[in-house]
Amino acid sequence: KAGVTQTPRYLIKTRGQQVTLSCSPISGHRSVSWYQQTPGQGLQFLFEYFSETQRNKGNFPGRFSGRQFSNSRSEMNVSTLELGDSALYLCASSGGTSVYEQYFGPGTRLTVT
Amino acid sequence: GQQLNQSPQSMFIQEGEDVSMNCTSSSIFNTWLWYKQEPGEGPVLLIALYKAGELTSNGRLTAQFGITRKDSFLNISASIPSDVGIYFCARGSNYKLTFGKGTLLTVNP
Repeated sequence: KAGVTQTPRYLIKTRGQQVTLSCSPISGHRSVSWYQQTPGQGLQFLFEYFSETQRNKGNFPGRFSGRQFSNSRSEMNVSTLELGDSALYLCASSGGTSVYEQYFGPGTRLTVT
Repeated sequence: GQQLNQSPQSMFIQEGEDVSMNCTSSSIFNTWLWYKQEPGEGPVLLIALYKAGELTSNGRLTAQFGITRKDSFLNISASIPSDVGIYFCARGSNYKLTFGKGTLLTVNP
């Protein structure tokens, strides 16, 4: 089975721009989660989707949004980028007996200049 | 709060040594997980624990769900160079994972 794929792998944006990141879960997995990883804050939960419904959202400003499509693929969007948004954005999917057994993609490295 | 305290922050060991790291929480949870992350990659799930007192192995790795449900331990036996990486504990609740800050493991061949 193919793993979680994320595109693009690397991205450089300028302050004030917006960005959309994409995630394709493992085939058959219906839950998709997003995390932000930075050296200072570590891994922080952004949101989780199941069957196109957001079931939980982390403590991030409204500039961070996401959605899930009927084929379980997911996107996250960050508007009005700030320097502090530079991070590794990780997508994870789960589909077995536990939503917590999450399988991560390689991440998208976003640099905001 | 829902903080996870993971220790130690880093470890430098010789190949062949055993390693132990732990994670504590101020609250009770029903799910503990351990992940490993290598440079340029996403975290990889190692072990998931669901019951207090549960002891689960995955090769040379053994993890335990503390009896108080507020802590978990990960042991690596007979370490090898490819064990190098950052190990994270995580607890699951409300459809999300909350991660510890990680333990950076360096293995000297």
